[in-house]
Amino acid sequence: SAVISQKPSRDICQRGTSLTIQCQVDSQVTMMFWYRQQPGQSLTLIATANQGSEATYESGFVIDKFPISRPNLTFSTLTVSNMSPEDSSIYLCSVSGGNTIYFGEGSWLTVV
Amino acid sequence: RKEVEQDPGPFNVPEGATVAFNCTYSNSASQSFFWYRQDCRKEPKLLMSVYSSGNEDGRFTAQLNRASQYISLLIRDSKLSDSATYLCVVNLKWRGSQGNLIFGKGTKLSVKP
Repeated sequence: SAVISQKPSRDICQRGTSLTIQCQVDSQVTMMFWYRQQPGQSLTLIATANQGSEATYESGFVIDKFPISRPNLTFSTLTVSNMSPEDSSIYLCSVSGGNTIYFGEGSWLTVV
Repeated sequence: RKEVEQDPGPFNVPEGATVAFNCTYSNSASQSFFWYRQDCRKEPKLLMSVYSSGNEDGRFTAQLNRASQYISLLIRDSKLSDSATYLCVVNLKWRGSQGNLIFGKGTKLSVKP
């Protein structure tokens, strides 16, 4: 199993600002994943964070809006840039272990 | 057609009841299947994988019907602590990148005393 720590756990942000979410894993992993879960919606993959290369973004998500860093095999950050109320969501960091997915506790963002 | 569909509920059941959740998926190439549990304002956690032969873990039984592209989860003798949202998850690959994972919106269960 993997233990994943995320911070902040929650925040209230002003529109137009940016917030960086941190994700720390207790073991080295090749890929880390960032998800968004908007209220009442399913989890949606934003991007895959690869160590040593640029992140791979899913359709509908772009680097300018969600820049990602992956400086080493245990850590990644996701920045939500120029936030609007539509960005109010839970953001989850995730890693794979065998055929299982492990999630961090999530970062609950409310944009006002 | 949505890729993974679930009845959103809520299912309100008394303690001790048996409750069944259904999930359908649209991509016949899907390889692996899971049920996740998500408590209110918490992250999803794996409940169980779903195999073609069906599998049971205590009070929980999962079934897969590939021909009908249908997955089910049965909970027997419901407990108050079973109250949560149950997510159906489908993977287009057996393992590897999570880019092939499709999540349902979840079915909410509320078990009442």
